Amino acid sequence: SQTIHQWPATLVQPVGSPLSLECTVEGTSNPNLYWYRQAAGRGLQLLFYSVGIGQISSEVPQNLSASRPQDRQFILSSKKLLLSDSGFYLCAWSRGNGYTFGSGTRLTVV
Amino acid sequence: AQKITQTQPGMFVQEKEAVTLDCTYDTSDPSYGLFWYKQPSSGEMIFLIYQGSYDQQNATEGRYSLNFQKARKSANLVISASQLGDSAMYFCAMREGLGTDKLIFGTGTRLQVFP
Repeated sequence: SQTIHQWPATLVQPVGSPLSLECTVEGTSNPNLYWYRQAAGRGLQLLFYSVGIGQISSEVPQNLSASRPQDRQFILSSKKLLLSDSGFYLCAWSRGNGYTFGSGTRLTVV
Repeated sequence: AQKITQTQPGMFVQEKEAVTLDCTYDTSDPSYGLFWYKQPSSGEMIFLIYQGSYDQQNATEGRYSLNFQKARKSANLVISASQLGDSAMYFCAMREGLGTDKLIFGTGTRLQVFP
């Protein structure tokens, strides 16, 4: 069966520190992968999506970057976090009409 | 321009009653898909129901049904026989763009079910 793993579940980081959030998918190959961010009480904003290894598309200009070093691995990074990077980050994958979301990482930048 | 619009920031419904959550969308792509997700306080995104743009009949999944009106570009979610456990955020989303399959979300509706 297909599963998606996302970690850590919660993270508190100081302003200016680096960030690395990892997402891995099991049970499927060549999925489309996505990173979303949800600010408190708001909807989900698509940050990045990837249709294949090394292929990253950015939806909004921001302080973050994404990479896909392997088919089923998607990483969200930042060199220096800002207060505005706080939020709930969700990874997702899709094939066809099915989308599966990870359990999310709640990031607080202090 | 906003592609998914949910005009109800919050809704209240009494247990066992039906409730309709509104969603309108905008796209020029003839092939698209519409989704509804439930997000409880834990944050997980729970898939509820899907409607394809070429589907002739309205989608139903248990107590959930989607009132799809293509000409009006609306895809309202109807929850019948509300339960206390239905209290959560509900998001409407649209997939467009063949190949990338990007899923674009509305701002959500917070549903509260009271006894």
